[in-house]
Amino acid sequence: GIQVEQSPPDLILQEGANSTLRCNFSDSVNNLQWFHQNPWGQLINLFYIPSGTKQNGRLSATTVATERYSLLYISSSQTTDSGVYFCAVERGSTLGRLYFGRGTQLTVWP
Amino acid sequence: NAGVTQTPKFRVLKTGQSMTLLCAQDMNHEYMYWYRQDPGMGLRLIHYSVGEGTTAKGEVPDGYNVSRLKKQNFLLGLESAAPSQTSVYFCASSHSTDTQYFGPGTRLTVL
Repeated sequence: GIQVEQSPPDLILQEGANSTLRCNFSDSVNNLQWFHQNPWGQLINLFYIPSGTKQNGRLSATTVATERYSLLYISSSQTTDSGVYFCAVERGSTLGRLYFGRGTQLTVWP
Repeated sequence: NAGVTQTPKFRVLKTGQSMTLLCAQDMNHEYMYWYRQDPGMGLRLIHYSVGEGTTAKGEVPDGYNVSRLKKQNFLLGLESAAPSQTSVYFCASSHSTDTQYFGPGTRLTVL
């Protein structure tokens, strides 16, 4: 299967700080999605981003498919940003099947 | 719209017992998925379905069966539960291979 590696595994920030989360993948992909799992376990889709850059409020994401990585930027972090951020990729040969990384655990302190 | 719902939210089983987890979606999505999440891990795909009456194996299908008799429902069955199946189970749905929407999860403990 495809390998999906996320870094850093853990990140602790003060409220207001900026951060960058990275996702590397080992093979070409059809699409890439970023998810946030809040402290209550709910998974929310943040971005569907097979390539290029997208922005949604304080969050933005960039995927460089040719170099096999994606970045998630969080600006002016808030305590509600705490949780686990997952990157998941889909290969062209297995449409619909997402392969998840192990996630980045983000803790934002007030 | 309720989105994706899962029943039950919690369950405790004894080794060897069977159970069925129900997933329902009201978004008219063709694709549905069952994942499991273990501590410190990302989600791993168990089985999925690309349409009513179809199912396919994912990364970790052993010990599970699924059925998609109606477009809006996707059932996950454990015929003989084992402690290794203690996990949090998530259902998801999507329109084709677009954004996946997740249910709230089912926490299963097998003693």
